[in-house]
Amino acid sequence: GAGVSQTPSNKVTEKGKYVELRCDPISGHTALYWYRQSLGQGPEFLIYFQGTGAADDSGLPNDRFFAVRPEGSVSTLKIQRTERGDSAVYLCASSLEGSYEQYFGPGTRLTVT
Amino acid sequence: GDSVTQMEGPVTLSEEAFLTINCTYTATGYPSLFWYVQYPGEGLQLLLKATKADDKGSNKGFEATYRKETTSFHLEKGSVQVSDSAVYFCALSDPRAWGKFQFGAGTQVVVTP
Repeated sequence: GAGVSQTPSNKVTEKGKYVELRCDPISGHTALYWYRQSLGQGPEFLIYFQGTGAADDSGLPNDRFFAVRPEGSVSTLKIQRTERGDSAVYLCASSLEGSYEQYFGPGTRLTVT
Repeated sequence: GDSVTQMEGPVTLSEEAFLTINCTYTATGYPSLFWYVQYPGEGLQLLLKATKADDKGSNKGFEATYRKETTSFHLEKGSVQVSDSAVYFCALSDPRAWGKFQFGAGTQVVVTP
């Protein structure tokens, strides 16, 4: 079956611009996670959704970052006033409720110039 | 806060050699522990897990034992293959903060024929 998909695969934007990154989880997975991965580092937790609500957003670095999941399926990570330090691979994962096994998408590589 | 430390790579070894990747953690509670693997060109995938002290997780010839006394979860494989070349990530999840996974920086393993 289809895995987790993320679009776009690559995004280049100028400093100060607004970007949206999309994640389409595996059908039936109620839990959805966003991570950020910088070069040579492991994934850094950003936010976790259970259904439509953000159960834990403690990893969002500041108020320029926001994520939504309005219908409990697709999620969008939104970054306002991008900075060069936001450049990273943004990973999305999904899982069944209560399961430890997360299924990761291929990521979106964001480059802020 | 909770954290994971794993040995730096790259780890280069010959086919059929014994592999150990060290992982230690810091946590105030009793976390569940995981190893994820990222093969070249693919997304992260769960390799094995252990949810309580002295549990041993195993999969694809890999093993790791949850050692509470040494706060460790070292990954081992007795005889590696070229196809085991990948980046390996140790991770934890505190049941009190379900969904918030903490990953180590990753260890690249290169197996040569």
